[in-house]
Amino acid sequence: GQQVMQIPQYQHVQEGEDFTTYCNSSTTLSNIQWYKQRPGGHPVFLIQLVKSGEVKKQKRLTFQFGEAKKNSSLHITATQTTDVGTYFCAGDQAGTALIFGKGTTLSVSS
Amino acid sequence: KAGVTQTPRYLIKTRGQQVTLSCSPISGHRSVSWYQQTPGQGLQFLFEYFSETQRNKGNFPGRFSGRQFSNSRSEMNVSTLELGDSALYLCASSGQGPLYGYTFGSGTRLTVV
Repeated sequence: GQQVMQIPQYQHVQEGEDFTTYCNSSTTLSNIQWYKQRPGGHPVFLIQLVKSGEVKKQKRLTFQFGEAKKNSSLHITATQTTDVGTYFCAGDQAGTALIFGKGTTLSVSS
Repeated sequence: KAGVTQTPRYLIKTRGQQVTLSCSPISGHRSVSWYQQTPGQGLQFLFEYFSETQRNKGNFPGRFSGRQFSNSRSEMNVSTLELGDSALYLCASSGQGPLYGYTFGSGTRLTVV
């Protein structure tokens, strides 16, 4: 079945450093979505990418969708303590369920 | 508008018992999905409902079941509880399916003792 792999599992950075998490699917995806879950909270939708090679930015966050629509990345520039949490990618094929990666947990020290 | 509401927030059950969890989606949302979240396993897909029909089902045993009502509210039931069923159960609703992103509820924390 469809699998979504995410690396790294954990990442610790100093405040101000950059951070990147990578997502890979075993199958071609219709779209990729990214979510953030703060400690003790629930996942919150960040963005969706649909087109091959698409790049979207939200302030310090840059999201990319691979040309083959099988991989994606989230890059945070100059991390802040408010960026702490677990970042999940999730993808689906047309008509299938949205499958989540296991997430990358980001910790930031000031 | 009100978010996704899940009840109860916390639940403690004994092995062998059954449990029913409830989810009220955002008004107007017809798609409801359920996920089980455990440490190290991330979010594992349970079911997806759309207009009272189960559209997709994950790889969980038959002890896990769900349904959706005409008002889009959804319930999931777990029978013959096992210790391994202890988890955070998350419900998410979407206005037009996964393409527009999911809004998650705060979840039900189930502990099986």
